[in-house]
Amino acid sequence: DTGVSQNPRHKITKRGQNVTFRCDPISEHNRLYWYRQTLGQGPEFLTYFQNEAQLEKSRLLSDRFSAERPKGSFSTLEIQRTEQGDSAMYLCASSRGGTSSYEQYFGPGTRLTVT
Amino acid sequence: AQTVTQSQPEMSVQEAETVTLSCTYDTSENNYYLFWYKQPPSRQMILVIRQEAYKQQNATENRFSVNFQKAAKSFSLKISDSQLGDTAMYFCAFMKVPGNQFYFGTGTSLTVIP
Repeated sequence: DTGVSQNPRHKITKRGQNVTFRCDPISEHNRLYWYRQTLGQGPEFLTYFQNEAQLEKSRLLSDRFSAERPKGSFSTLEIQRTEQGDSAMYLCASSRGGTSSYEQYFGPGTRLTVT
Repeated sequence: AQTVTQSQPEMSVQEAETVTLSCTYDTSENNYYLFWYKQPPSRQMILVIRQEAYKQQNATENRFSVNFQKAAKSFSLKISDSQLGDTAMYFCAFMKVPGNQFYFGTGTSLTVIP
């Protein structure tokens, strides 16, 4: 169990550019979650996958955001035409299914700065 | 909708002393879990303790214990014998059952003073 990993750890981009983040969950976990954490706030739910299926999306996930988990393993989160308001920490978490889904393991996050 | 409120943005405690962090929540759900997560500086969030709403007994994990008052919708965290490694941001979180997403509070920054 090597834990949840996220890459890159930091990303600085100019407004209007596209960015993509990657999350590698714990290998035996079939559920994967994305959260966004802005300064001074707790994490806010963005979306959730069970295996390769995206089952739930928050209203926070605008049309510029897209997430995929093509083979039910790693996931990517892409933000198109970034805006300064997208600056935040993007957290990934994973869990097993069933009642174990109530115990999510978080990655270190990707900090995005949009200039 | 679910809301979680942490009214103490910052707290400090002397090493080896006891500190209590407050959390209140609002929900119309009857079945849910409550959590405390710890986020050390520049490190990932880790689960401290979990409480099932249907259980009357307060959860404990070593030096960490909760005071769960379901009627009052209150869920405080007590840290006994505080250690320097306890310095972190602490988040209270709610998850309805069945459910998949956390609702987090805004966090309490705890500093343990040597």
